[in-house]
Amino acid sequence: EAGVAQSPRYKIIEKRQSVAFWCNPISGHATLYWYQQILGQGPKLLIQFQNNGVVDDSQLPKDRFSAERLKGVDSTLKIQPAKLEDSAVYLCASTSGVSYEQYFGPGTRLTVT
Amino acid sequence: QKEVEQDPGPLSVPEGAIVSLNCTYSNSAFQYFMWYRQYSRKGPELLMYTYSSGNKEDGRFTAQVDKSSKYISLFIRDSQPSDSATYLCAMSLQGAQKLVFGQGTRLTINP
Repeated sequence: EAGVAQSPRYKIIEKRQSVAFWCNPISGHATLYWYQQILGQGPKLLIQFQNNGVVDDSQLPKDRFSAERLKGVDSTLKIQPAKLEDSAVYLCASTSGVSYEQYFGPGTRLTVT
Repeated sequence: QKEVEQDPGPLSVPEGAIVSLNCTYSNSAFQYFMWYRQYSRKGPELLMYTYSSGNKEDGRFTAQVDKSSKYISLFIRDSQPSDSATYLCAMSLQGAQKLVFGQGTRLTINP
């Protein structure tokens, strides 16, 4: 079974630029999550999708972050404009909804200079 | 106060030692308790899962939950260098949904 795929793995941008991350969850997983993990901290949930609908985006900074999952499969997370404090690893995870386990991708490491 | 508190370490022990990792939490409504292991530059992977209070054992790993004290633990017996990683506790109200993570404890097992 293929795992959660994310790209790019690394990205360096200047502040005020925009950036987008892509996630392909495990086949058949209806629930998809985006997390932000700042160096030395645990992952913090940004947004949760159930199929192509948003379940929870209470911690998503909506003035600069946006996410979509148009066909209920792949998802993109966008930051526009980026700030220095957005430097972090952005993790995508998915779950079938039946299992309690969230499966994580390798993450995208973003550096904002 | 954070919902989940975890000592970030770092923790360094010799190979073969028993390791104890702990988290405390403030939300008494949490029902599901998990431990994730995260190797450098990798995503977290589920190690142990416990529902409500009690103990659970899987090989060299034992997870304990004490809901009365709002305290969870992970014990690693006969620790190996391959156990060197960051260990994250996580908990939720409903199964896999909306996990709240601790800060993570960075563990090094020295050969």
